[in-house]
Amino acid sequence: GENVEQHPSTLSVQEGDSAVIKCTYSDSASNYFPWYKQELGKGPQLIIDIRSNVGEKKDQRIAVTLNKTAKHFSLHITETQPEDSAVYFCAAITDSWGKFQFGAGTQVVVTP
Amino acid sequence: NAGVTQTPKFQVLKTGQSMTLQCAQDMNHNSMYWYRQDPGMGLRLIYYSASEGTTDKGEVPNGYNVSRLNKREFSLRLESAAPSQTSVYFCASSEKDRVIQYFGAGTRLSVL
Repeated sequence: GENVEQHPSTLSVQEGDSAVIKCTYSDSASNYFPWYKQELGKGPQLIIDIRSNVGEKKDQRIAVTLNKTAKHFSLHITETQPEDSAVYFCAAITDSWGKFQFGAGTQVVVTP
Repeated sequence: NAGVTQTPKFQVLKTGQSMTLQCAQDMNHNSMYWYRQDPGMGLRLIYYSASEGTTDKGEVPNGYNVSRLNKREFSLRLESAAPSQTSVYFCASSEKDRVIQYFGAGTRLSVL
């Protein structure tokens, strides 16, 4: 089955700096890669996703890149703000309708 | 529009007790999921229901049962709770053939 590894497990950045989280996956059939943000005491919320036919996608300060050859994808957050502090999860999916394999999560702390 | 609603939010059980976690969604989604979240392990799928009337095991189904009561509701039952089932449980839903999953706020369960 699919295996997703996520690094780093914790990330501390200064406000205004960039943050990068990386994930690798094992199943070359994976074709959809979402990123979820989980704030304290809440459920995960989708923030951005990318499909296997696209190399990069951007939405304001966040972007995701995908390298299918190397089987890894990354989340980039620019100009970080305190409200970006949260746990971020990557995921990969091989089934057509929605059975995900999640990474272990990255705790991001943005310090003023 | 409440999205995905989980009850209760918190629960403390003694070993051997039983309980049912409730989940309801108002988005007319076909697919529903139950995950557990443990530190350093991300989200692991317990059971899922691709459509009303069907349920299937996920990655960690032992000790749990589920019921897809109707299109809106998907419950998770612990028949005889064990300390290893102390976790945060999330319910999610998605449209059929769509991969975006929407999560509830979670149920924090402690088994003593």
